[in-house]
Amino acid sequence: DVQLVQSGPEVKKPGESLKISCKGSGYSFGRYWIGWVRQKPGKGLEWMGIIYPGDSDGRYSPSFQGQVTIAADKSISTAYLQWSSLKASDTAMYYCARRSYGSGDPCFEIWGQGTMVTVSS
Amino acid sequence: EFVLTQSPGTLSLSPGERAALSCRASQNVSSDSLAWYQQRPDQAPRLLIHGASSRASGIPDRFSGSGSGTDFTLTISRLEPEDFAVYYCQHHGNSLFTFGQGTKLEFK
Repeated sequence: DVQLVQSGPEVKKPGESLKISCKGSGYSFGRYWIGWVRQKPGKGLEWMGIIYPGDSDGRYSPSFQGQVTIAADKSISTAYLQWSSLKASDTAMYYCARRSYGSGDPCFEIWGQGTMVTVSS
Repeated sequence: EFVLTQSPGTLSLSPGERAALSCRASQNVSSDSLAWYQQRPDQAPRLLIHGASSRASGIPDRFSGSGSGTDFTLTISRLEPEDFAVYYCQHHGNSLFTFGQGTKLEFK
């Protein structure tokens, strides 16, 4: 089965750093873009950015550029989302999702289960 | 700035009824680039429709998508209890993805 499995929930303090992960299985990880999506409590979906694990080419939403870093290690089929200094406003559920193959008809076909990040002093 | 506007914000219907959810783009878009997702409470989103009108694998045929240009519609022909959820449209263009703000489909 094709699946994305994300790391577990995190509780952090403001100013701390964090890296969460998303491990793919059941497919050739390096050949599909992986995106990250934020969902604040009770709110909608916000696209953060996307990375191609094959060569680590990445794109960011202007709203998240400079706020987070997206990375990938294709040797272990894992993508990452990281913060250098968390804020309380980063409290949210974070989803990784696999983009459809190729340049046409772009959408997110497969989703991870989500990682809840809570930032509180 | 490119924006997707979904309406209504909340739709109150009963099982067996037909639902029509709207997604309007702030500028003309290619139909290839429009998708719809369903999110049930405490679950990850699930792809329903891609390319504006193609059902994703395993999606029942009561779900259909239509539209072009700036106006797109997700139709659920006969609501089942499990269809009451939040629905999002999504666009991809210029290497960026954009989601609409969502429509909540609730029991009447």
